[in-house]
Amino acid sequence: DAGVTQSPTHLIKTRGQHVTLRCSPISGHKSVSWYQQVLGQGPQFIFQYYEKEERGRGNFPDRFSARQFPNYSSELNVNALLLGDSALYLCASSLSGLPVTDTQYFGPGTRLTVL
Amino acid sequence: GENVEQHPSTLSVQEGDSAVIKCTYSDSASNYFPWYKQELGKRPQLIIDIRSNVGEKKDQRIAVTLNKTAKHFSLHITETQPEDSAVYFCAASKGNYGQNFVFGPGTRLSVLP
Repeated sequence: DAGVTQSPTHLIKTRGQHVTLRCSPISGHKSVSWYQQVLGQGPQFIFQYYEKEERGRGNFPDRFSARQFPNYSSELNVNALLLGDSALYLCASSLSGLPVTDTQYFGPGTRLTVL
Repeated sequence: GENVEQHPSTLSVQEGDSAVIKCTYSDSASNYFPWYKQELGKRPQLIIDIRSNVGEKKDQRIAVTLNKTAKHFSLHITETQPEDSAVYFCAASKGNYGQNFVFGPGTRLSVLP
């Protein structure tokens, strides 16, 4: 799991605001996925990107968006924040994004609190 | 879509005993099953995984078994130690692009010294 970094580590926002979370994958990894983990629950899939293209989207509203840059880092954007968006946001990287062949490693997460 | 159930939700064992956590999944097309350990305030860490062409995999004190017919897979930890105390998550994936990981709700394991 070494090498996936996320920023910031903690963030406090108020309802209606916008937030941008950032992720840098392990060197050489081209796929990044984003997950939301509400306290006491397992992570829920939000997006997967590979080679700057969206490869998968979970059951989240359009307020959630993401992109991947040429250096394979990624941003997750959330608009019009709701109290229910408070969670740990996890980024995970893998070589190709194909679980059948390679392993996914998680970053430390960004703890978002919406007041 | 895929649904993953995990049991038990909490498990307490004495140090040195074995612990078993079981997950069931609904989508027969799923073919990759990782297990993650998450300590309080930390990131999920992969501890072992199994792909559907294998029935069992072992790594020192940890093993995973897969029964594709019954659609369940289990994590076995032998000779448990206090540092094994954490929340354990199972997950299932179909293994293709965009085939996201569906996680179970987690099992809180406490190893009592």
